[in-house]
Amino acid sequence: DAGVTQSPTHLIKTRGQQVTLRCSPKSGHDTVSWYQQALGQGPQFIFQYYEEEERQRGNFPDRFSGHQFPNYSSELNVNALLLGDSALYLCASSFLDRYEQYFGPGTRLTVT
Amino acid sequence: SQELEQSPQSLIVQEGKNLTINCTSSKTLYGLYWYKQKYGEGLIFLMMLQKGGEEKSHEKITAKLDEKKQQSSLHITASQPSHAGIYLCGADMRLSDKLIFGTGTRLQVFP
Repeated sequence: DAGVTQSPTHLIKTRGQQVTLRCSPKSGHDTVSWYQQALGQGPQFIFQYYEEEERQRGNFPDRFSGHQFPNYSSELNVNALLLGDSALYLCASSFLDRYEQYFGPGTRLTVT
Repeated sequence: SQELEQSPQSLIVQEGKNLTINCTSSKTLYGLYWYKQKYGEGLIFLMMLQKGGEEKSHEKITAKLDEKKQQSSLHITASQPSHAGIYLCGADMRLSDKLIFGTGTRLQVFP
């Protein structure tokens, strides 16, 4: 049983560029949440997707957007990258309204 | 200010010693989660606590949630080098699936 997978593992981008990160949830899970983890900090909630709709959103600007596909996989898009967007981006999957979330290995984004 | 406070921020212990990590909230918690993270990697789920006074154990790790559901402790007995990593508490404060995390406790275990 595959767990949560994310791609790519690492990514280097330049300020102003756009990036897309991908996540495949654990088998059977229908809900995907995205978190940003800056160095030395705990993860910060970005948003959550269920049934291809954004269900909840944290305190992140509109430059951060997402999508969920019919197979429950998800993408996180960040436009107009800033240096401060450099972080580990974590995807977590779960069943809706069941709070045990399983995390993927993360994508480390470096913005130069 | 941080909604969830973890203490200590870092811990260095000798192999075989016991240790405790605390997680405190100013609000009632609907669910409290403990995760372990190796540096720069994803989070590994350890335990989830929901009921006041609840206690769970897995191998040498025990977690408790106090009666008021505002504080949790994670206790490791007879620590081993494999226990090293960052321990994060995450809390559900609004029955919303959205987890709020503490800043983590970095644990090092030396032989």
